[in-house]
Amino acid sequence: DIQMTQSPSSLSASVRDRVTITCQASQDIGNYLNWYQQKPGKAPKLLIYDASSLETGVPSRFSGSGAGTDFTFTISSLQPEDIATYYCQQYDNLPHTFGGGTKVEIK
Amino acid sequence: EVQLVESGGGLVQPGGSLRLSCAASGFTFSSYSMNWVRQAPGKGLEWTSYISSSSNTIYYADSVKGRFTVSRDNAKNSLFLQMDSLRDEDTAVYFCARDRGVGALPAGADYWGRGTLVTVSS
Repeated sequence: DIQMTQSPSSLSASVRDRVTITCQASQDIGNYLNWYQQKPGKAPKLLIYDASSLETGVPSRFSGSGAGTDFTFTISSLQPEDIATYYCQQYDNLPHTFGGGTKVEIK
Repeated sequence: EVQLVESGGGLVQPGGSLRLSCAASGFTFSSYSMNWVRQAPGKGLEWTSYISSSSNTIYYADSVKGRFTVSRDNAKNSLFLQMDSLRDEDTAVYFCARDRGVGALPAGADYWGRGTLVTVSS
């Protein structure tokens, strides 16, 4: 199975800060990577697919980059409604494994 | 509006069985592959199973292979997960999720239901 190592596991930042989360795959996955947002008690929501494509309706402050084994997810200006846990997921090989998640809080 | 509503969760003893359902609306269900993804309490996400639009292609995670069976009824816009020989470690919220891939090439989920809780305990 492909292991997805996500870091940090949690972070605290101020409103309007730039937030960056990384995800490293244990082998080359091309650009077959999704990023999800999950708010407490809610279903995950797809934000980014194909490593860098913004899902329809998702604010442009969210972005993704990377290819191969190293990927980055960025919130350019953190907003209070962005408090959530964020997950990466590879879909190059089954099983489609997820990173461990990054919990984002407001400082 | 795409809607996925899971049902059928509950408390079951180890070794028991449970059948989850997912009612889909707001899209052409028969055109999309579907997934079941679970989340143990306080833990991360784990993909468990995938079924293509025509049911011709089915995949399972090793953790559930041989115990869980995914199926669908396109006439009733419904997805199912039959869970047998349940174990304590199967305790989780189970999400029904629409796959965003083309054909029978899974590509992760673009819409998710709110989930149904399955608790395996004696």
